[in-house]
Amino acid sequence: EAGVVQSPRYKIIEKKQPVAFWCNPISGHNTLYWYRQNLGQGPELLIRYENEEAVDDSQLPKDRFSAERLKGVDSTLKIQPAELGDSAVYLCASSSGLAGNEQFFGPGTRLTVL
Amino acid sequence: GQNIDQPTEMTATEGAIVQINCTYQTSGFNGLFWYQQHAGEAPTFLSYNVLDGLEEKGRFSSFLSRSKGYSYLLLKELQMKDSASYLCAVRDSYGGATNKLIFGTGTLLAVQP
Repeated sequence: EAGVVQSPRYKIIEKKQPVAFWCNPISGHNTLYWYRQNLGQGPELLIRYENEEAVDDSQLPKDRFSAERLKGVDSTLKIQPAELGDSAVYLCASSSGLAGNEQFFGPGTRLTVL
Repeated sequence: GQNIDQPTEMTATEGAIVQINCTYQTSGFNGLFWYQQHAGEAPTFLSYNVLDGLEEKGRFSSFLSRSKGYSYLLLKELQMKDSASYLCAVRDSYGGATNKLIFGTGTLLAVQP
């Protein structure tokens, strides 16, 4: 069974440029998460989807960040414009949504904003 | 508020036993997870506790005391490949957030020969 797929793995951009990350969850997982992980820190939830509905986006900086999961499968996270402080690893995870089931993480996208 | 505390770094010797502690204060509680994360890689699931007591899985065990807001991860017969960051995460249940994980900062474990 394929795991969570993310692309690109690495991205270097200049500040004020836009950037987008893509995630394809494990087949059949209806819950999808986007996390941001800064160096030496644990992941912080940005947004959680149940199918195509964003059910928790309270920590998503909505002035510059946006996300979509139009068909309830793969998802895109966008930053426009990027700032220096956005440099981090962006992790996507998915779960079946059943109580007790763990979240499976993708390899992440390491973003560097210059 | 939401707070999860774990030591920043630990060092242990190959073949030994190490215990990584985690204390938490969260609005709600619906389970505690431990994840392992090697440098530059994704977190991978190790264990899950929702009731008090010890869960054993091979060389790894995890303990939970809900009344104390405390958990630990026990690693036995340490191997060099166990060098990684170990993340404690609490699943919040406050306000209907049925599967929201709140992570600690992670404990970086270095296993020495």
